[in-house]
Amino acid sequence: QKEVEQNSGPLSVPEGAIASLNCTYSDRGSQSFFWYRQYSGKSPELIMSIYSNGDKEDGRFTAQLNKASQYVSLLIRDSQPSDSATYLCAVNGPQGGSEKLVFGKGTKLTVNP
Amino acid sequence: KAGVTQTPRYLIKTRGQQVTLSCSPISGHRSVSWYQQTPGQGLQFLFEYFSETQRNKGNFPGRFSGRQFSNSRSEMNVSTLELGDSALYLCASSPGQGGYGYTFGSGTRLTVV
Repeated sequence: QKEVEQNSGPLSVPEGAIASLNCTYSDRGSQSFFWYRQYSGKSPELIMSIYSNGDKEDGRFTAQLNKASQYVSLLIRDSQPSDSATYLCAVNGPQGGSEKLVFGKGTKLTVNP
Repeated sequence: KAGVTQTPRYLIKTRGQQVTLSCSPISGHRSVSWYQQTPGQGLQFLFEYFSETQRNKGNFPGRFSGRQFSNSRSEMNVSTLELGDSALYLCASSPGQGGYGYTFGSGTRLTVV
């Protein structure tokens, strides 16, 4: 059973701080990795994708991937109250082109003004 | 560009009834996946369709079924509804080549009474 694990939180950071969200996955053959943000009462929204080891930056967001350690992280710099949401880690495995994603249960982030 | 459209947004059904949910993917997207989201279990994969064929299936009972039409629109059906089927049902579309991640619709909130 392929699994994706995240700390459920809640994670609370002050405005302007760096929020660090972590995720581990069990399928060593996984190829694609995603972070989704889900506001309360809304559907998940894709915010970052990463496919190779290292860092990928997009604005205030940085995704980090370490395939040897089966570890993915998301850093949010200069956190804003509007970043308060649940962050979902998702992994796509080597399934012959299938788009199936396995999701973690999410980490709830609260950014305090 | 229109997003993923799910109808209806809300449904209330009685135990034992059946329900059909509809999803129109982003134009040009050939892969449609369905997820069930509950507070306790998070996002659980139901099935994925690509070019009218079921490409992947999750661990749900046979009461849950789906299909995809030639225009990529998809429906999912749940027969003999149980109280535990109450959840947010999310449809997601992607180009279908693997590794792009999903765009989610707004979801259908199903309540079984």
